[in-house]
Amino acid sequence: NAGVTQTPKFQVLKTGQSMTLQCAQDMNHEYMSWYRQDPGMGLRLIHYSVGAGITDQGEVPNGYNVSRSTTEDFPLRLLSAAPSQTSVYFCASSYGPGEGETQYFGPGTRLLVL
Amino acid sequence: AQRVTQPEKLLSVFKGAPVELKCNYSYSGSPELFWYVQYSRQRLQLLLRHISRESIKGFTADLNKGETSFHLKKPFAQEEDSAMYYCALRPLMNRDDKIIFGKGTRLHILP
Repeated sequence: NAGVTQTPKFQVLKTGQSMTLQCAQDMNHEYMSWYRQDPGMGLRLIHYSVGAGITDQGEVPNGYNVSRSTTEDFPLRLLSAAPSQTSVYFCASSYGPGEGETQYFGPGTRLLVL
Repeated sequence: AQRVTQPEKLLSVFKGAPVELKCNYSYSGSPELFWYVQYSRQRLQLLLRHISRESIKGFTADLNKGETSFHLKKPFAQEEDSAMYYCALRPLMNRDDKIIFGKGTRLHILP
């Protein structure tokens, strides 16, 4: 198993550009989520999905869209990049979201918005 | 095939009125059933599971194997109950298997 994969590893964008961060897992997990990590702050939940066709907002969803057309893929789209979206983005998956469920994280995507 | 059905996308209830969120499931073996709740912009969290027979925040849910249902109930709704509720199922004998979720019901408590 490859686990959770993310592409790209690093990206530089200009303000106003759009892009998609890719996330895929091959563990047949139903629950997937996107987090951002900023200096001095913990992981903050952007969006999550409890299965194909079902997505919902997390704590900081503004400026981001997601879709879940398959169990394996959960792309995160930045509609119009802003410098405030400079961050490290982590995708995670697990069988379920409850306490005690092991979450598997991708390696992260470092995004710089100029 | 395993399936969890929540027939209502949105349920609006007046404060103080009883709440019932419906959940039906399809599974050939013995299931473990859960209710999860997501309050506005917070993480999804486990509300209750049928095997522990507990009452959390005034909510209860009874597994009815004959009707294959696991409806979530509360006698008197409170405004802080407004949230998204997901019913979920997992095979009882295989805790490593994935959890199957329903599409969710948004509960809106009217003042």
